[in-house]
Amino acid sequence: QVTLRESGPALVKPTQTLTLTCTFSGFSLSTSGMCVNWIRQPPGKALEWLARIDWDDDKYYSTSLQTRLTISKDTSKDQVVLTMTNMDPVDTATYYCARIQSSGAVAPFDSWGQGTLVTVSS
Amino acid sequence: EIVLTQSPGTLSLSPGERATLSCRASQSVTSSYLAWYQQKPGQAPRLLIYGASSRATGIPDRFSGSGSGTDFTLTISRLEPEDSAVYYCQQYGSSYTFGQGTKLEIK
Repeated sequence: QVTLRESGPALVKPTQTLTLTCTFSGFSLSTSGMCVNWIRQPPGKALEWLARIDWDDDKYYSTSLQTRLTISKDTSKDQVVLTMTNMDPVDTATYYCARIQSSGAVAPFDSWGQGTLVTVSS
Repeated sequence: EIVLTQSPGTLSLSPGERATLSCRASQSVTSSYLAWYQQKPGQAPRLLIYGASSRATGIPDRFSGSGSGTDFTLTISRLEPEDSAVYYCQQYGSSYTFGQGTKLEIK
């Protein structure tokens, strides 16, 4: 059974750096075709893709946020970490991690974590 | 960036009726790499349809997807109360973008 779980601070101050961890089980990120993504959803709004890391350590970022994002993985711990710098109140959202499994990474997000709400406020 | 526009914004139907949700892309979606997700309040999205028309594992056959190019449709036949949710389309052929969602209310 595939599971993903997000963890991190519930509250961050403006200008601070956010660090979120996705801990997963039921698959290995060292297996060819596996990818983990981060997606966010502001309260009452739509979903926005942020970043992806692949089994071979290739990394991809949202064009609009790429200067603020860093994604990394620790295969031995089955974890993916996302950092987002210079947080602003507009970054308040539920942050999800989600898996892709595909030989060419052209696939939908087939498993999601339950999400973690991050509020940016002083 | 491919922009996805969903319509209607809200749909209110009765149990047993058929729901038709639309997703229009600003440019052609590569190889019909179009998915639909269902999201209930307080829950993560759940994959329903991928490749425009293939049902994900465990999804009942009341849910069906169709379309190609720039116009896609999610149809839910024989609505049940538990189908009340927000439905999002997503294209995954050119990076990843989502529509703004259609809220389906079951009367």
